[in-house]
Amino acid sequence: QQQVKQSPQSLIVQKGGIPIINCAYENTAFDYFPWYQQFPGKGPALLIAIRPDVSEKKEGRFTISFNKSAKQFSLHIMDSQPGDSATYFCAASSNHAGGTSYGKLTFGQGTILTVHP
Amino acid sequence: DVKVTQSSRYLVKRTGEKVFLECVQDMDHENMFWYRQDPGLGLRLIYFSYDVKMKEKGDIPEGYSVSREKKERFSLILESASTNQTSMYLCASSLYSPLQHFGDGTRLSIL
Repeated sequence: QQQVKQSPQSLIVQKGGIPIINCAYENTAFDYFPWYQQFPGKGPALLIAIRPDVSEKKEGRFTISFNKSAKQFSLHIMDSQPGDSATYFCAASSNHAGGTSYGKLTFGQGTILTVHP
Repeated sequence: DVKVTQSSRYLVKRTGEKVFLECVQDMDHENMFWYRQDPGLGLRLIYFSYDVKMKEKGDIPEGYSVSREKKERFSLILESASTNQTSMYLCASSLYSPLQHFGDGTRLSIL
């Protein structure tokens, strides 16, 4: 079974800190790695995504770092704010351009992030 | 904006009942997905559909079935509900890409 392993399960930081969430995968056919953010009572929403041809992608305060040889990727949140408190999921997909995968995603276990004021 | 609507936010059913969870998307997306979300386990794929009347099993299909009679609607069916199916159920849709748009979920309790 394809797996994506995510850690830590929960994370508490102070405002302004830089939480880091890590994910590791096994399937080398994965070629699209999104991060989803979920607030209480809401469904997950796409936050940022990366493809394996780049080692880093930054959008605002959110950065994905990608290490293809180690099959690992991570999310960094710069200058974290209490409003960033949410559950974060990494995910992975193969055949992103279509094919027989139909855009299926394999999700990590999730990280509950709490940012204290 | 893509809107994925799940018919119920909260649902309480009894063991052995047949339960229907409904999901509607308004963006003419080809693909639709049903997940269950449990603490520490992330999102696990139950079933997905890539076209009307077409479906494929996900990672945990046992005890579930699905129906897609119209492109915009994807139903999850618990044939005979059991307490271990108490969970948060999430529906998602996508076009020809892994960018999935999620509904806000149905929290289902089986007593």
